[in-house]
Amino acid sequence: KNQVEQSPQSLIILEGKNCTLQCNYTVSPFSNLRWYKQDTGRGPVSLTIMTFSENTKSNGRYTATLDADTKQSSLHITASQLSDSASYICVVRQGSGTYKYIFGTGTRLKVLA
Amino acid sequence: DTAVSQTPKYLVTQMGNDKSIKCEQNLGHDTMYWYKQDSKKFLKIMFSYNNKELIINETVPNRFSPKSPDKAHLNLHINSLELGDSAVYFCASTRLLAGGAYEQYFGPGTRLTVT
Repeated sequence: KNQVEQSPQSLIILEGKNCTLQCNYTVSPFSNLRWYKQDTGRGPVSLTIMTFSENTKSNGRYTATLDADTKQSSLHITASQLSDSASYICVVRQGSGTYKYIFGTGTRLKVLA
Repeated sequence: DTAVSQTPKYLVTQMGNDKSIKCEQNLGHDTMYWYKQDSKKFLKIMFSYNNKELIINETVPNRFSPKSPDKAHLNLHINSLELGDSAVYFCASTRLLAGGAYEQYFGPGTRLTVT
């Protein structure tokens, strides 16, 4: 069964600290994996997209990793800021000729001052 | 300029009514989507349209019907609304890039409340 599981479900950290969010998937065949940030009440915004051959990709203070062998991805946030408080959603695209996307349930991050 | 717009932003209606949510994108993208976000903030894809062809139709009740008058619009029509339909509905558009990647933009969402 094609699934995307994220952990932890929620996370609270202090401003300035680092954190890592996990995404495990069983989607096959795999096409690419994307991390979204979604502020409360707004649409998701793409942070990174990773294809099969990519291991690491950074976008400012966000660094995503992908291990296609173990089917795991992580999103590392460095020097967190209050504005990082949001839900982070992992999405895996299935196959190469279809438009099917499998969404994770998300991790809700709260950064405290 | 707004890339993906949705109307209305808020919609409150009674059970049994029929309602529509409109979506427009000015990006020239090929594919548009409708997502439903439930109370747990989980995004579920409902429909996808590429050049007026339905590509994905997840296990969504047939009370929901997407209508695409042209490439820039994908409207969502809902018949016989139920309490469980209360959620935030997001429209999105996508353009395929080289190497299998894609760019996707989301609308601001429509909060539907069924009473």
